Amino acid sequence: RKEVEQDPGPFNVPEGATVAFNCTYSNSASQSFFWYRQDCRKEPKLLMSVYSSGNEDGRFTAQLNRASQYISLLIRDSKLSDSATYLCVVNKYTGKLIFGQGTTLQVKP
Amino acid sequence: NAGVTQTPKFQVLKTGQSMTLQCAQDMNHEYMSWYRQDPGMGLRLIHYSVGAGITDQGEVPNGYNVSRSTTEDFPLRLLSAAPSQTSVYFCASSYGQGRGTDTQYFGPGTRLTVL
Repeated sequence: RKEVEQDPGPFNVPEGATVAFNCTYSNSASQSFFWYRQDCRKEPKLLMSVYSSGNEDGRFTAQLNRASQYISLLIRDSKLSDSATYLCVVNKYTGKLIFGQGTTLQVKP
Repeated sequence: NAGVTQTPKFQVLKTGQSMTLQCAQDMNHEYMSWYRQDPGMGLRLIHYSVGAGITDQGEVPNGYNVSRSTTEDFPLRLLSAAPSQTSVYFCASSYGQGRGTDTQYFGPGTRLTVL
């Protein structure tokens, strides 16, 4: 079993829709969590960090459930420009960050 | 600030050749790392460094060497290139590894093809 698992998708949604992705992690020692956005053939860029129960930034909300060992990302009012791959990242403070394989989102007009 | 820079952007090698991928950051970050990204595999950690003079292996270190003689630079050396090393390589840095300091900043990547 992979240490960080994501549904690769693709998730195809219309503009204006609300979409949610889940990411599960297997190691309960995981300490901090991130969602990165990666556009095609570009470098990942930080979307949101999650150190406690959750975080919100505009249309984006991340929730952490330590009991069930998952992190979710909710995107409200989807825009065409939200089309990208969303990477879930886990840090156990061992020096090694663990990346999920990413979830692809396609927002259609 | 230039952030994290990587050179070259593209490289084609023949099997058995060696080369060095360059990575530099100007943010005075202690932590630096190298990842490779292959289709369907996500990013996998090759080597990382928690400070000048200190390096350690990640998930897929075989065939790669690193050194960290300065805080700014973290080159990745391919000793004898193999087709299995065809990938996109990303360098990343962060201020530290603890809560609030572990946000990774990535370079633009090097696209390597080994024939």
